[in-house]
Amino acid sequence: QKEVEQNSGPLSVPEGAIASLNCTYSDRGSQSFFWYRQYSGKSPELIMSIYSNGDKEDGRFTAQLNKASQYVSLLIRDSQPSDSATYLCAAHFNYGQNFVFGPGTRLSVLP
Amino acid sequence: EPEVTQTPSHQVTQMGQEVILRCVPISNHLYFYWYRQILGQKVEFLVSFYNNEISEKSEIFDDQFSVERPDGSNFTLKIRSTKLEDSAMYFCASSENWDSDGYTFGSGTRLTVV
Repeated sequence: QKEVEQNSGPLSVPEGAIASLNCTYSDRGSQSFFWYRQYSGKSPELIMSIYSNGDKEDGRFTAQLNKASQYVSLLIRDSQPSDSATYLCAAHFNYGQNFVFGPGTRLSVLP
Repeated sequence: EPEVTQTPSHQVTQMGQEVILRCVPISNHLYFYWYRQILGQKVEFLVSFYNNEISEKSEIFDDQFSVERPDGSNFTLKIRSTKLEDSAMYFCASSENWDSDGYTFGSGTRLTVV
């Protein structure tokens, strides 16, 4: 069974702080990982992808992947109230084309 | 920026009725997907579609569900006899390749079965 796990939160951080979101996955065959942001009642929006061990930076966002530990994280620097949303981690497993999503972590950035 | 378009945005139907949810994927994309999200729960995979046939489906996608690409632009999800537990947001997505750098999701159809 392919599983992606996340803490459901809510995670509250003050404006300007770093928000750290974590995700673990069950299948070592997973090839690629994605972070999506979902505002309430809206569809998921892709933030970034990561395929290789290490860090990948895009603006205020940094994704980190550790395949040995089966762990993916997303750091959001200089958090803004507009970052308040649910963050979904998704894994693309080696076999099959679909993504498996985690339950999401709700982030609240307090002004 | 290219978009995946879904209609209607909200559909209310009586239990036992058939519904068709419509999607227009991004024009140069070849892979199409339906996912659903029951309120407060995970986004769940239903089905993927490539080259005019289903390439993968989940356990949720039983005989009550079907997908079709009736023309060169639309991609539809049909639920033959809706149940209360089919109430959810249904998201269509598309990608250029199977290993594309993430999907583009449509804005979703909220299906309410009463």
